[in-house]
Amino acid sequence: NAGVTQTPKFQVLKTGQSMTLQCAQDMNHEYMSWYRQDPGMGLRLIHYSVGAGITDQGEVPNGYNVSRSTTEDFPLRLLSAAPSQTSVYFCASSRAQGYEQYFGPGTRLTVT
Amino acid sequence: AQSVTQPDIHITVSEGASLELRCNYSYGATPYLFWYVQSPGQGLQLLLKYFSGDTLVQGIKGFEAEFKRSQSSFNLRKPSVHWSDAAEYFCAVGTQGGSEKLVFGKGTKLTVNP
Repeated sequence: NAGVTQTPKFQVLKTGQSMTLQCAQDMNHEYMSWYRQDPGMGLRLIHYSVGAGITDQGEVPNGYNVSRSTTEDFPLRLLSAAPSQTSVYFCASSRAQGYEQYFGPGTRLTVT
Repeated sequence: AQSVTQPDIHITVSEGASLELRCNYSYGATPYLFWYVQSPGQGLQLLLKYFSGDTLVQGIKGFEAEFKRSQSSFNLRKPSVHWSDAAEYFCAVGTQGGSEKLVFGKGTKLTVNP
């Protein structure tokens, strides 16, 4: 099993550009989530999904969109990048929302 | 809703010394409890988890944690720290049956001196 994979590993965007961070898991997990990690802020939940076709907002959803068309994939879209979105982004999956989550390696995003 | 606090932002220990990282939670029933480790530039890796039963839980890399209901704590311990244990450690709390999302603490950064 590859577990949770994320691409790209690094990305630099200019303000106003859009992009999609990819996340895939091969563990047949129903629950998937996106977090951002900033120094001193811990992990903050952006969006999550409890199954294919179902998504919901987390703690910091503004400026981000998600969709879940398959169990395996959960892409995160930045609509119009802003410097405040410079962060490290982690995707995670688990069999249900209250159980242990398995994390991807992260995407380090810089917006200039 | 549940909450979790890691009182120590940064801890420094010498290699070979013992380690205890504190985690306190707030939840009305018996929670699910987790410890994760994040090495620099890496994702989070699950160290151990507590769902029920024996309150002393063994994990990977020689770590253990003890659930103390009376103190609402789930402290992480290691008897002898290695330089490779330098990382950030996160405690997380979930609810019985997985009905609520996991809540993560803000993390404790561990520095290991030679």
